[in-house]
Amino acid sequence: DAKTTQPPSMDCAEGRAANLPCNHSTISGNEYVYWYRQIHSQGPQYIIHGLKNNETNEMASLIITEDRKSSTLILPHATLRDTAVYYCIVRDFRGYYSGAGSYQLTFGKGTKLSVIP
Amino acid sequence: EAQVTQNPRYLITVTGKKLTVTCSQNMNHEYMSWYRQDPGLGLRQIYYSMNVEVTDKGDVPEGYKVSRKEKRNFPLILESPSPNQTSLYFCASSGRSSGRNTGELFFGEGSRLTVL
Repeated sequence: DAKTTQPPSMDCAEGRAANLPCNHSTISGNEYVYWYRQIHSQGPQYIIHGLKNNETNEMASLIITEDRKSSTLILPHATLRDTAVYYCIVRDFRGYYSGAGSYQLTFGKGTKLSVIP
Repeated sequence: EAQVTQNPRYLITVTGKKLTVTCSQNMNHEYMSWYRQDPGLGLRQIYYSMNVEVTDKGDVPEGYKVSRKEKRNFPLILESPSPNQTSLYFCASSGRSSGRNTGELFFGEGSRLTVL
């Protein structure tokens, strides 16, 4: 079963903020939230990740609710080049050397974001 | 440049003719994985490997084999391809980069396979 739930599609006007939601109600304490995007049929590209604090980098901001059951990816000023499918996954990447962590990663169908001129 | 390289990028083959899709990463990553992507179904994991000689099944392993004899390579083998294996395939890796492990997955550019 998918560990995250995302809306299948969203539209956003160019220049406006795009807010992409993700529900991960069964997230465990050691799991991080990751966001990736896939433009056309290219390989998915990493955007951002976080555990419980809000995070920001040059591409986007990630807002995680206090109970960690949902998060929002924010693209502050969407451009046409941000049109893509966005995937939210949860992952415990610790423990490569201890045998812990999560390795069976399900990406699901993501959210298709269309940025409108 | 850090990268994951897949070959071939495009292949048309016939039912039953064994083929191998190679995947190589130059980042000394421990974790590698294969995904297939089909319209309306998102990315589905086929197999993954936590380190050399350690592999395990993902969500859709039927009809595929993998091996991890070296850290950098993780080939996907289709012993007897069938038309339902026509798909876009992605290889990904993850591990310590520049001394840090962020869990970020690095993906290859994809291999589009058509089985007639």
